[in-house]
Amino acid sequence: AQSVTQLDSQVPVFEEAPVELRCNYSSSVSVYLFWYVQYPNQGLQLLLKYLSGSTLVESINGFEAEFNKSQTSFHLRKPSVHISDTAEYFCAVTRGPSGYSTLTFGKGTMLLVSP
Amino acid sequence: ETGVTQSPTHLIKTRGQQVTLRCSSQSGHNTVSWYQQALGQGPQFIFQYYREEENGRGNFPPRFSGLQFPNYSSELNVNALELDDSALYLCASSLGQAEAFFGQGTRLTVV
Repeated sequence: AQSVTQLDSQVPVFEEAPVELRCNYSSSVSVYLFWYVQYPNQGLQLLLKYLSGSTLVESINGFEAEFNKSQTSFHLRKPSVHISDTAEYFCAVTRGPSGYSTLTFGKGTMLLVSP
Repeated sequence: ETGVTQSPTHLIKTRGQQVTLRCSSQSGHNTVSWYQQALGQGPQFIFQYYREEENGRGNFPPRFSGLQFPNYSSELNVNALELDDSALYLCASSLGQAEAFFGQGTRLTVV
């Protein structure tokens, strides 16, 4: 079985500042890792994913995450946040390489960007 | 190509009642998964359907049941509703074990 820990329930940050949202996972098998974003009253949108290959993955809107197998982490970073990045962010894991089977989510981190 | 759609968007039910939530999967997708997201929590896996058969189940009691239809749309049924069933219910569709796409969810409130 897999588990995900997101240590920070809320991360307040000023606009244009850098941010890191932390995610640690536990699994006895190889995994695929994901970050999802959820805006108020909406479903989940995939932000980025790690399946294999380069341990640094990037999204189209400036976020990046690095898979660190030794530390079992997949932290999400952005060098300069915008007000529009305010949302709930979920880290998720599934067993690989059998594919995108059922997802195990962390409890989420609320990113609050203020002017 | 239409995305994943869920209905209704909001629902209020009384404790003890039964509820049916619906999900239309994205065109071409044959796998549907359901998740429960309680307030302040991450989504929890309920079950998955692949080609009309249950293909995995999370730690939910039997009063949570589902169906998948030949067009791959799906229903989630919950009997004997409890106050703790109040949550956002999310449906995700995929083609086999490929990337899952989520709907907007159904907000269920049990009073």
